[in-house]
Amino acid sequence: DIQMTQSPSTLSASVGDRVTITCRASQSISSWLAWYQQKPGKAPKLLIYKASYLESGVPSRFSGSGSGTEFTLTIRSLQPDDFATYYCQQYKSYPYTFGQGTKLEIK
Amino acid sequence: EVQVLESGGGLVQPGGSLRLSCAASGFTFSGYAMGWVRQTPGTGLEWVSSISGSGARTYYADPVKGRFTISRDNSKNMLYLQMNSLRVEDTAVYFCAKGPYSDSSEWFDPWGQGTLVTVSS
Repeated sequence: DIQMTQSPSTLSASVGDRVTITCRASQSISSWLAWYQQKPGKAPKLLIYKASYLESGVPSRFSGSGSGTEFTLTIRSLQPDDFATYYCQQYKSYPYTFGQGTKLEIK
Repeated sequence: EVQVLESGGGLVQPGGSLRLSCAASGFTFSGYAMGWVRQTPGTGLEWVSSISGSGARTYYADPVKGRFTISRDNSKNMLYLQMNSLRVEDTAVYFCAKGPYSDSSEWFDPWGQGTLVTVSS
């Protein structure tokens, strides 16, 4: 199975900050990576697919990059609505696997 | 609007069975793969199973293989997850989600609101 490791596990930031979350795969997954945002008690919401493609309706302050084994999710100019938990997911091969999550907290 | 809505969760004893259902609307159901993902309270996300749009191809995570069966009724726009021989470690919120293509689920969007399955004596 492909292991996905996110860092950091928790990130404290302020409104207006630029933040970056990293996701590393245990083997190359090309660009077969998605990013999700989840708020407490809610379903995950797709932000990014194919590593860098922004899902329709997602604000342009979100961006994804990377290929192979290292990927990043960047949020430019944090907004109050962005404080949530973020997950990466590889879909290069079954079983699909998720990172353990990064909780973005208000500093 | 594309929507998926799960139902069927509840409390079941270890060794018992439960069938989850997912009602889809707002898209041509048979044209898209679907999947189930679970989330244990307080922890992360775990992919459980996926099925192609036609239902011909199914995929399972190792922890549920041989115990869970994914299926779909394209005439009713319904997705199912039959869960047998349930274990305490199957306790989780189960999400139904839509894939972007017919043959494979790849990424998931949208997700349902989730249904809680509790396995306990």
